[in-house]
Amino acid sequence: AQKITQTQPGMFVQEKEAVTLDCTYDTSDQSYGLFWYKQPSSGEMIFLIYQGSYDEQNATEGRYSLNFQKARKSANLVISASQLGDSAMYFCAMEAQKLVFGQGTRLTINP
Amino acid sequence: EAGVAQSPRYKIIEKRQSVAFWCNPISGHATLYWYQQILGQGPKLLIQFQNNGVVDDSQLPKDRFSAERLKGVDSTLKIQPAKLEDSAVYLCASSLGRGLEKLFFGSGTQLSVL
Repeated sequence: AQKITQTQPGMFVQEKEAVTLDCTYDTSDQSYGLFWYKQPSSGEMIFLIYQGSYDEQNATEGRYSLNFQKARKSANLVISASQLGDSAMYFCAMEAQKLVFGQGTRLTINP
Repeated sequence: EAGVAQSPRYKIIEKRQSVAFWCNPISGHATLYWYQQILGQGPKLLIQFQNNGVVDDSQLPKDRFSAERLKGVDSTLKIQPAKLEDSAVYLCASSLGRGLEKLFFGSGTQLSVL
């Protein structure tokens, strides 16, 4: 069975600071993918970043990076230099047999 | 390129009524997904199509929910009869279908069952 856990219901960060959103996962599959999606108040899910289970390097996409620690089964999202427009819900997801989402973290960037 | 299109954007019905949602995926995308997102939760997969065949419908409440993807393109999701607990956002997503790839989501249909 696949399981994704996001333990932070809400995060408040000052603009321009870096923020880390936590995600842990559980699966017995050796091959899997980890994703982060952003969901603004408009409701649409926006893909941010992907990490494959066999990728040795941590994934990076602009201001987003994924801190992948396979032994700890964690895949934390790091957003550098946060902006007001980063305020949204953030979902961690894992695909092994199917794509399963965590409960999400609501990030609020304060000016 | 055009994104995933969904309609309607909002729907309000009374319990025991029926409702249908429509989704048009990105052209060329073989895989289509329907997710249910209850307020305050992450999306839950209801059904996954590969072309016009069902890959996974293990979490679809088949006594009241049905979905089809005729000709492997557009898809409709139907609820009959609706219950109060069906109030949620229904998200459609599509992907090329090669596995371990990002999904493209529509804006969703917000359903309120009164």
